Amino acid sequence: DQQVKQNSPSLSVQEGRISILNCDYTNSMFDYFLWYKKYPAEGPTFLISISSIKDKNEDGRFTVFLNKSAKHLSLHIVPSQPGDSAVYFCAAGPHSGGSNYKLTFGKGTLLTVNP
Amino acid sequence: ETGVTQTPRHLVMGMTNKKSLKCEQHLGHNAMYWYKQSAKKPLELMFVYNFKEQTENNSVPSRFSPECPNSSHLFLHLHTLQPEDSALYLCASSPGQNPRKLFFGSGTQLSVL
Repeated sequence: DQQVKQNSPSLSVQEGRISILNCDYTNSMFDYFLWYKKYPAEGPTFLISISSIKDKNEDGRFTVFLNKSAKHLSLHIVPSQPGDSAVYFCAAGPHSGGSNYKLTFGKGTLLTVNP
Repeated sequence: ETGVTQTPRHLVMGMTNKKSLKCEQHLGHNAMYWYKQSAKKPLELMFVYNFKEQTENNSVPSRFSPECPNSSHLFLHLHTLQPEDSALYLCASSPGQNPRKLFFGSGTQLSVL
């Protein structure tokens, strides 16, 4: 059973508008969340993260919101740019680190930003 | 350049072949990982190495054999694979003090015929 779900396989938005990518999780032990971005023929690259002690984290055009009671997080991109077109992966992990730390990934959402 | 280099980028092999995937990281990280990405599936963790020691084997079939000779190099030896093993294989590394932040290579797209 998937513990991290990205229910929208794809999303298309106009340049300049807001992109909202959603992610749901089921494991209550998760308390650290990340978004990765992947271009074709490249590996995923880290985009932004949030700890469960916060409900919002912002980095330039990218903001991640966390709703712990709903076990839901979202990534907002404002304004969207054509270069943002990529697959976005949501990932989650438990609080403690160490050598056995594991991230659980969603299936990804393909974002297309149209000029 | 992400600092994590994977070769080859593409590999086609028959079910009776033996091949190896190579990963090298230039970031001074202590941990290295193999992930598998199949079509329309989440990234699946396969193996974790921390300071050259394997710390995780996520129930991976024995036809996949990892090797980590040092903290900078990671191999995945492949033998008698099945067509369903066709996927993108991603190597990643992380600083020992922050295993959450993974740095990925570009991957090897593997096709098993």
